[in-house]
Amino acid sequence: NAGVMQNPRHLVRRRGQEARLRCSPMKGHSHVYWYRQLPEEGLKFMVYLQKENIIDESGMPKERFSAEFPKEGPSILRIQQVVRGDSAAYFCATGQGASETQYFGPGTRLLVL
Amino acid sequence: GESVGLHLPTLSVQEGDNSIINCAYSNSASDYFIWYKQESGKGPQFIIDIRSNMDKRQGQRVTVLLNKTVKHLSLQIAATQPGDSAVYFCAEPFNQGGKLIFGQGTELSVKP
Repeated sequence: NAGVMQNPRHLVRRRGQEARLRCSPMKGHSHVYWYRQLPEEGLKFMVYLQKENIIDESGMPKERFSAEFPKEGPSILRIQQVVRGDSAAYFCATGQGASETQYFGPGTRLLVL
Repeated sequence: GESVGLHLPTLSVQEGDNSIINCAYSNSASDYFIWYKQESGKGPQFIIDIRSNMDKRQGQRVTVLLNKTVKHLSLQIAATQPGDSAVYFCAEPFNQGGKLIFGQGTELSVKP
């Protein structure tokens, strides 16, 4: 049973470019969470989605960041016009429900030059 | 409030010894707590969880203790091995809404 998949594992972008991070949930999971981890820090919640719905985006920066979880396909975290401060590890976690255990993917490490 | 904090940022133990990692939480209404292990370059890995109606839960070589009176959580690792070296995070759901609040993490280093 495959776990949570994320791609790409590493992404390098220049300032001003767009970054697209993908997350495929574990089989049977319909709840997706995105977290960001800055170097030497803990994980910070960004957004919580179910299929075609954003449930909680209280941790998302107001500009340049967006997330979706379409009916078909992976969840996508999109960062437009990246800046150096966006460099971080972005983790996706998935679960069966809001109060169920969240299982994390391997993360995407974004480096903005 | 929404904060989960760890008492010590680093912990160094001898291989074979027991390790205890502590965590304080502030939301007395939390009904669920989780411990994750994160190895360098990897995503957090679920270790064990505990519901608020329990005060102890055991897994394989790990035990989680919950003291609701003082809002304290601990993770005990028996016979610590080099493979246990990692950063350990405690986490709790925020207002039962799915979003997890993580502590800063404790780095466990196991000396051979």
